[in-house]
Amino acid sequence: GENVEQHPSTLSVQEGDSAVIKCTYSDSASNYFPWYKQELGKRPQLIIDIRSNVGEKKDQRIAVTLNKTAKHFSLHITETQPEDSAVYFCAALLSRGLTGGGNKLTFGTGTQLKVEL
Amino acid sequence: SAVISQKPSRDICQRGTSLTIQCQVDSQVTMMFWYRQQPGQSLTLIATANQGSEATYESGFVIDKFPISRPNLTFSTLTVSNMSPEDSSIYLCSVELQGARGYTFGSGTRLTVV
Repeated sequence: GENVEQHPSTLSVQEGDSAVIKCTYSDSASNYFPWYKQELGKRPQLIIDIRSNVGEKKDQRIAVTLNKTAKHFSLHITETQPEDSAVYFCAALLSRGLTGGGNKLTFGTGTQLKVEL
Repeated sequence: SAVISQKPSRDICQRGTSLTIQCQVDSQVTMMFWYRQQPGQSLTLIATANQGSEATYESGFVIDKFPISRPNLTFSTLTVSNMSPEDSSIYLCSVELQGARGYTFGSGTRLTVV
C-alpha cells in the first residue's frame, strides 16, 4: 500500500518568513495530493491540492509543487502570519478500483508549524 | 462545498460499552469514509462506507469492532464496540466532494473511554 513520509515534524519560523514542508510517497499510481491545516481541537481543513498532471499550483501565499519522478511534493507558505500556526498534513490518494477497496487517502505524520512574532 | 454534521461531538464512555457516531451530509455524496485520529497523531482510514452494501475495512480494522451503516447517500454511522481505553481517539467522517473538488471532514467525535 501507499506510505507517506512528512518532514519536518516541527517547524518554527519568524513572522514574514517562508515555511516549507516536504512529503514523499511510495506508490507511483497515487494521483492526487491534498494538504490540510488542522488547528487545535478542530477538523482538518483542505487548503490546497494538486493532481498528478500538474507540477505546481499557487493560491495567494500558499503553493504546492509536485515532482512525480522523485515522488515528492512540497507545501510552501510565504509571508507567514501567526494565524498560519497549526498542524499541517500532506496526503496522497491511491485509486485502488472497486475490487481493490476503492479510493484511499493516506496521510503524512503532520508538521507542527509555529509562527513567532 | 458539502456541510457535514457529526454527532456526538464528544463523549466519555465506560469500557465494555458501545458508542454510535452519526454523520449527516447536506447533499448526496458517493463516497463516505471514517477515520481515526489518536491523540497527537495523524489520520488513519478505518473504512469506506458503501451505500447499500457492506463497508470496506482497511487492514487492522474489523467489522465486529467497528460496524458501519450507510442506508442512503447522505448518512452513515460508525459504532465503536466493546470499548477499551485504547479506543480513546477522535473519530472523523469524511466525504468526497462532487466535481473532483477533494475530500472534506466532519467536525469529529472526541471519544474518551474510562
